[in-house]
Amino acid sequence: DQQVKQNSPSLSVQEGRISILNCDYTNSMFDYFLWYKKYPAEGPTFLISISSIKDKNEDGRFTVFLNKSAKHLSLHIVPSQPGDSAVYFCAANVGGGADGLTFGKGTHLIIQP
Amino acid sequence: GAVVSQHPSRVICKSGTSVKIECRSLDFQATTMFWYRQFPKQSLMLMATSNEGSKATYEQGVEKDKFLINHASLTLSTLTVTSAHPEDSSFYICSARDGAGGGNEQFFGPGTRLTVL
Repeated sequence: DQQVKQNSPSLSVQEGRISILNCDYTNSMFDYFLWYKKYPAEGPTFLISISSIKDKNEDGRFTVFLNKSAKHLSLHIVPSQPGDSAVYFCAANVGGGADGLTFGKGTHLIIQP
Repeated sequence: GAVVSQHPSRVICKSGTSVKIECRSLDFQATTMFWYRQFPKQSLMLMATSNEGSKATYEQGVEKDKFLINHASLTLSTLTVTSAHPEDSSFYICSARDGAGGGNEQFFGPGTRLTVL
């Protein structure tokens, strides 16, 4: 049972445009959500997180939106750059972030010049 | 800051042998470390939670006698895969949480590619 779902295995975006990566979850106990970027054969790199008490968090080019009623979150990258090409994982946990993470399967973002 | 290292980065071993993987937090103290496993084209799956000075908590379906975890200090956790089989071949990744820093983000190591022949 996949509790965190990333339904788009891949996404292609033109350089300079906005990249929107989506994530849905089923476990209503999740109260902390994170986005990670990962290159092959490397560990994930933390990008941005959001607590369930918020609906938006922004850090530079990255913004995460949380819609609790829809159990949906999204990561916006503006503007998209070639170095953003990677696999992006959505993750969630319970306990305000103290527990282990449940990951989605990832979305491969490809930024085209 | 918040750097986590893993050693070795890759290991090839024969079936039946044991392999130890080290996870270190280099610039912070990690009271809690986590071990994940990623099979090809799959997501990272939490195997166990390791707390300094106490027994690890394993996720359902993960054999604690096969995957031995030791968290002897605030900067080091080890995962030992005992009597390795080819189906244990995977990418093992640890993470650490810098609770003292006030955040709840987990910082990941670079991973260890295990191949069991």
